[in-house]
Amino acid sequence: SYDLTQPPSMSVSPGQTANITCSGHKLGDKYVCWYQQKPGRSPVVVIYEDYKRPSGIPERFSGSNSGSTATLTISGTQAMDEADYHCQAWDSRTVVFGGGTKLTVL
Amino acid sequence: QITLKESGPTLVKPTQTLTLTCTFSGFSLNTYGVNVGWIRQPPGKALEWLALIYWDDDKRYNPSLNGRLTITKDASKSQVVLTMTNIEPVDTATYYCSQRRIATGVKDPPFSYWGQGALVTVSS
Repeated sequence: SYDLTQPPSMSVSPGQTANITCSGHKLGDKYVCWYQQKPGRSPVVVIYEDYKRPSGIPERFSGSNSGSTATLTISGTQAMDEADYHCQAWDSRTVVFGGGTKLTVL
Repeated sequence: QITLKESGPTLVKPTQTLTLTCTFSGFSLNTYGVNVGWIRQPPGKALEWLALIYWDDDKRYNPSLNGRLTITKDASKSQVVLTMTNIEPVDTATYYCSQRRIATGVKDPPFSYWGQGALVTVSS
């Protein structure tokens, strides 16, 4: 089976940049989505097809994907960005999610 | 406005079969490119994709569930049903249904719309 690996947690100071990684074998050959999930809420897509932002998602969210690592970057992180972030890709006609990263803003 | 809502039992006994229904509005599962999936999340843990059904009735399953899953659709009722056999306590989770849609310029659409989730507890 295909695995996507994320750091379980990370912290960032308000106003700084958070880089959340997602690693998988030849992940750069696949499209990656990122979902934000706040406590008790359903996930919300913040990035799809590696770098595209859905309407309504702030410009401070960006994405990249190359080699074996995809990265979600949050520039000028705000307190409201504190959440779990999940990466997702397709492999062999099945959907795979990463283990999720808990982002703390402090 | 697209909405999805999961429904089903909140408590299931081990070895039983779980049946969950996703009732949606704002789109048709007869429309080209539309698909609906099920994703679950055990308390405090990661998202796990379970199954997906396409507008043309094509289906995909998470192979790690070893054939325990069946996904069906009733487009006339705007519903997607997931059954999971031989339920175990490790299947305790919040179960979400979610919609994605293939569209012009979007080769790999995300799960754009999610239901609120339904917590299912497996216990004797």
